[in-house]
Amino acid sequence: NAGVIQTPRHKVTGKGQEATLWCEPISGHSAVFWYRQTIVQGLEFLTYFRNQAPIDDSGMPKERFSAQMPNQSHSTLKIQSTQPQDSAVYLCASSLGTNSAETLYFGSGTRLTVL
Amino acid sequence: GDQVEQSPSALSLHEGTGSALRCNFTTTMRAVQWFRKNSRGSLINLFYLASGTKENGRLKSAFDSKERYSTLHIRDAQLEDSGTYFCAAASSGSWQLIFGSGTQLTVMP
Repeated sequence: NAGVIQTPRHKVTGKGQEATLWCEPISGHSAVFWYRQTIVQGLEFLTYFRNQAPIDDSGMPKERFSAQMPNQSHSTLKIQSTQPQDSAVYLCASSLGTNSAETLYFGSGTRLTVL
Repeated sequence: GDQVEQSPSALSLHEGTGSALRCNFTTTMRAVQWFRKNSRGSLINLFYLASGTKENGRLKSAFDSKERYSTLHIRDAQLEDSGTYFCAAASSGSWQLIFGSGTQLTVMP
């Protein structure tokens, strides 16, 4: 079991460019979460899919951010017109999705740096 | 063994009262975060602390890395505070969060 796989590990973009982050959840996990981590805010929830369907995107910035899960094996987080304040570590996590107090398995994260 | 021990596992409060949740750590943690699970199953962050205390409305959290614990105080509990609360901590040198087992809070009229 390779765990949750996130690519790329690091991404540097110029202001105004687009960034796409990829996540491959653990096989068999039906819940996929995206979080953003900064030194100031800690871990911030962005969005959540269950069985590929978007369940809760209340943490997503209303503009420029979007997430998809086209199949059960991967999810993407896209940031359009990136800004310096988008710089953060973006973490993907998956869980079994059984609605219990379950463990979230996090990927290694993608460190996004917007210059 | 478990690195994060959260208690109590369940808590019932009457509206207007308060109580505290606690997480004890078996090793030194560099930061702690408190979450609440919303009705859709998402973990919504309440507090992130590397040390000291933070307060937000009727919630207050404290973290003592040296003494290896963190608390979440709720005062003047309201019905909408009901839900499951989790602490999660990051050990030194890692950003991986280790979650507590959760506290199911029920606020009664």
